[in-house]
Amino acid sequence: ELKVEQNPLFLSMQEGKNYTIYCNYSTTSDRLYWYRQDPGKSLESLFVLLSNGAVKQEGRLMASLDTKARLSTLHITAAVHDLSATYFCAVQVGKLIFGTGTLLAVQP
Amino acid sequence: GAVVSQHPSRVICKSGTSVKIECRSLDFQATTMFWYRQFPKQSLMLMATSNEGSKATYEQGVEKDKFLINHASLTLSTLTVTSAHPEDSSFYICSAREDSSSPLHFGNGTRLTVT
Repeated sequence: ELKVEQNPLFLSMQEGKNYTIYCNYSTTSDRLYWYRQDPGKSLESLFVLLSNGAVKQEGRLMASLDTKARLSTLHITAAVHDLSATYFCAVQVGKLIFGTGTLLAVQP
Repeated sequence: GAVVSQHPSRVICKSGTSVKIECRSLDFQATTMFWYRQFPKQSLMLMATSNEGSKATYEQGVEKDKFLINHASLTLSTLTVTSAHPEDSSFYICSAREDSSSPLHFGNGTRLTVT
């Protein structure tokens, strides 16, 4: 059974700081996604990573993929309050399986 | 971009009644749709995968007689929660894709409350 684990589950950080969220998965995959979810809302697509070594950046967020290690990271640079949300990675193996989620709270 | 419309966004029903949730792809043909359930402060759990014209494939532990999924056309899938109970209260999210190489597009979700 595919397992997708995120670390940490909860992250409280100050504005201006940097941090990384980790996503480990237990089997080979076609692709990996990162999503953002605000409270009471559905998912917003952030990144799709298709190959080993892929790196994508959008604003203060950067995602990378290491398929050999079965690891993806979401790096946050100089966090701002607007980034507060829950972040999910999701691994596609035919169907899409979500990670455990990371609740990010950026404190002013 | 591709849009998936989910309706209703919120529904409250009484225990024992049935509720139908619709998921429509508005500007593409969705050969595959997925239904997820999310309990508060938890991740999204895949309930079932539906392919147009075929019976849905349910994940382990999901009762197919309780959660009826119909994907009768390339733009519409429905999830019917039958004989709902309070423990079925959850956030249900559908997603759809055009083909296996296409990205998934998510609906806005349906908040179901069973009283």
